[in-house]
Amino acid sequence: EPEVTQTPSHQVTQMGQEVILRCVPISNHLYFYWYRQILGQKVEFLVSFYNNEISEKSEIFDDQFSVERPDGSNFTLKIRSTKLEDSAMYFCASIGDRASEQYFGPGTRLTVT
Amino acid sequence: AQSVTQLDSHVSVSEGTPVLLRCNYSSSYSPSLFWYVQHPNKGLQLLLKYTSAATLVKGINGFEAEFKKSETSFHLTKPSAHMSDAAEYFCVVKAGNNRKLIWGLGTSLAVNP
Repeated sequence: EPEVTQTPSHQVTQMGQEVILRCVPISNHLYFYWYRQILGQKVEFLVSFYNNEISEKSEIFDDQFSVERPDGSNFTLKIRSTKLEDSAMYFCASIGDRASEQYFGPGTRLTVT
Repeated sequence: AQSVTQLDSHVSVSEGTPVLLRCNYSSSYSPSLFWYVQHPNKGLQLLLKYTSAATLVKGINGFEAEFKKSETSFHLTKPSAHMSDAAEYFCVVKAGNNRKLIWGLGTSLAVNP
């Protein structure tokens, strides 16, 4: 069964460093999403991406964040200068069409020290 | 605006007894609703979804949920809890043209032997 994959599973970085979280969505999916979950809190929407551009972003998704689909398979989330409060689990999701449910990757745990 | 409220942050049941996890939603139009489960240190797995078809929705692992428009509820139930059901459960509503997911705070289910 096709699945969404994410790498790395755990990333530790120092405050102020740039990180890139990688996701490989299901191959024929068209809509892509990033969510984050701070420890002990609810899952929060960050950004949605369709047709090679951001279709919606939340207030959390400020200028420090960017997304890219550099090739036909990867979907990346970049945090330009990480802050302590960026420590969270980051989930990637993809969807084939608007009527379908979102398929989630296993997540990347980002720890900023 | 869409939102979900999970009425219990923590539920504890004995193995073999029924499970009830409560969720109320707010939506300005006919919603799509989901329950996701997250086992410790695991990703997010879809349990079941409601997308305006049958109001009683059956999911995986014996779970089901009933959509009640008059009560704006989408409670999750299971007749008999199993130890492996211990996890965090999220009620989710799909919102907006970009189909982002709005998450409840989650209910932690403990199953006692």
